[in-house]
Amino acid sequence: DAKTTQPNSMESNEEEPVHLPCNHSTISGTDYIHWYRQLPSQGPEYVIHGLTSNVNNRMASLAIAEDRKSSTLILHRATLRDAAVYYCILRDVNNAGNMLTFGGGTRLMVKP
Amino acid sequence: GAGVSQTPSNKVTEKGKYVELRCDPISGHTALYWYRQSLGQGPEFLIYFQGTGAADDSGLPNDRFFAVRPEGSVSTLKIQRTERGDSAVYLCASSLRGGGGQGPADTQYFGPGTRLTVL
Repeated sequence: DAKTTQPNSMESNEEEPVHLPCNHSTISGTDYIHWYRQLPSQGPEYVIHGLTSNVNNRMASLAIAEDRKSSTLILHRATLRDAAVYYCILRDVNNAGNMLTFGGGTRLMVKP
Repeated sequence: GAGVSQTPSNKVTEKGKYVELRCDPISGHTALYWYRQSLGQGPEFLIYFQGTGAADDSGLPNDRFFAVRPEGSVSTLKIQRTERGDSAVYLCASSLRGGGGQGPADTQYFGPGTRLTVL
């Protein structure tokens, strides 16, 4: 699976929107963009994923650039509970094993 | 419903000892994964089971590490002759199915992990 690049950390104020960027310039046509997050002392949890079109679910929105070389996870109103490490992961549909390749992620800090 | 559970939550052992870490996946999930997470880093893949068989064990660091899933549900990760460098959080995940699919059935659900400390 291709590599992703994320900022090490970001800060946000509570109840404000947060935009978490991810660069994946070597993405292939069969790579899906997945986001997981890891709350303190917990295992990672799935947030959202997409291929080409922007995606929305109850947790977040995913905006994918037209050339697919970058994407942005959007939390519409950050809460203290959203403080976590957010991982942007590329998964190839041809990856028979389905394993996830995590990078370092972005540590999001939310200020009250 | 019940999520993925892992026992023990913490394990402290001495260098050279043998340890077993247990994972109970979500009922009905055919795929099971083990990952290892060192402090300040993202999880690193170890091994993937589809049913009872290890479909991919390319992430196991050496032959001191072994995992089984004899009945296709519970899995045990076994570490022989533990070393201080084995200290990490060991995470287990399961999904309804394995393979390269990208739908809801392929979402991985993680347990809380077992923190292993080798003194």
